[in-house]
Amino acid sequence: KNEVEQSPQNLTAQEGEFITINCSYSVGISALHWLQQHPGGGIVSLFMLSSGKKKHGRLIATINIQEKHSSLHITASHPRDSAVYICAFSPGGATNKLIFGTGTLLAVQP
Amino acid sequence: ETGVTQSPTHLIKTRGQQVTLRCSSQSGHNTVSWYQQALGQGPQFIFQYYREEENGRGNFPPRFSGLQFPNYSSELNVNALELDDSALYLCASSFAGVASNEQFFGPGTRLTVL
Repeated sequence: KNEVEQSPQNLTAQEGEFITINCSYSVGISALHWLQQHPGGGIVSLFMLSSGKKKHGRLIATINIQEKHSSLHITASHPRDSAVYICAFSPGGATNKLIFGTGTLLAVQP
Repeated sequence: ETGVTQSPTHLIKTRGQQVTLRCSSQSGHNTVSWYQQALGQGPQFIFQYYREEENGRGNFPPRFSGLQFPNYSSELNVNALELDDSALYLCASSFAGVASNEQFFGPGTRLTVL
């Protein structure tokens, strides 16, 4: 069983829809990260959080430490939001390595 | 402030060959991590370098090795290439010693092994 599970794996939405991507993890973590990866490979960090909720523009990330669950929400989705969204966590310790989920492929249609 | 850069962008090698991938960390960062991302998968941690020393390693064989230089740039070397080594190789830089664990990723090197 993977340490990080994301759902759904694929998501197609119409422009303007509210989108939710879920992430569950099975171990203690130092921080939970949400990242975005566009075709071609580049990865951009969207959020890093260890408790509560963070908002940046139309993106909102929440985490429930007790339930080991995090969600990424996109409000008023737009075709330019189409990308792979990846959940990852830092287990802590000597390195700040990231343990990644497999990602959610989001396609927002106009 | 310059971001993380990687070279080359693409590379094609044959089985058994050796390859060196390069990463320049973001200005002010002293830690570089390398990840391997197979098609359709999330990145997998290979190893991390901090102040020119290996500072943690994932489940990769010894033919994956690395270096970090005094300017904190880094190399990933893979010997005896296998077909399964075909992947996108990502490096990420960060600054160890602050509360933030945020990592900044380069654009990646896509390696194809034939």
